Amino acid sequence: DTAVSQTPKYLVTQMGNDKSIKCEQNLGHDTMYWYKQDSKKFLKIMFSYNNKELIINETVPNRFSPKSPDKAHLNLHINSLELGDSAVYFCASSQTSGVVDTQYFGPGTRLTVL
Amino acid sequence: QKEVEQNSGPLSVPEGAIASLNCTYSDRVSQSFFWYRQYSGKSPELIMSIYSNGDKEDGRFTAQLNKASQYVSLLIRDSQPSDSATYLCAYGGGSNYKLTFGKGTLLTVNP
Repeated sequence: DTAVSQTPKYLVTQMGNDKSIKCEQNLGHDTMYWYKQDSKKFLKIMFSYNNKELIINETVPNRFSPKSPDKAHLNLHINSLELGDSAVYFCASSQTSGVVDTQYFGPGTRLTVL
Repeated sequence: QKEVEQNSGPLSVPEGAIASLNCTYSDRVSQSFFWYRQYSGKSPELIMSIYSNGDKEDGRFTAQLNKASQYVSLLIRDSQPSDSATYLCAYGGGSNYKLTFGKGTLLTVNP
């Protein structure tokens, strides 16, 4: 069973389009994250939700809007896609326990904006 | 100000040697430290977590943490070609459950 899953795995789209990426975890964790990994492989936090509540919102354009319908799901919607949005987007989850604990990553979604 | 610094590499070692990966971090309130391995085109996977000063061993991997020096390292003994990957150092601290990652060190183990 896949612990953290993302769909789609690949996404190729034109500039200006709107797209969504979905993430689901079956680990029973209470916190979920979105990361962006650019072409230089730098992994940077974008958003974090704890029990469906937004707790981290890094400096991300407001074209990016996360949504957590429940603890097991965290989706990412991107409006008006730009060339610079091309990257791999990883979803992750963890269980909070008083300290920052291990985060488990999904397989990633490779977004290419043409 | 760089929060996590790692040598980007590439670090090249022969098969069977010890690979030593180093990481320094700037946040003194950091509580938890992680080493992730990322194969090309794949997602990061946890290798080691360490929370207290000293050494922590798991098979061929040993993590070393020195909070006073704000330094964490990963030793890989008897390196194998399958260890060839990018190794990401990360730390967490505070109440926002955030992990901050370094840019990673590319390790190549030559047969």
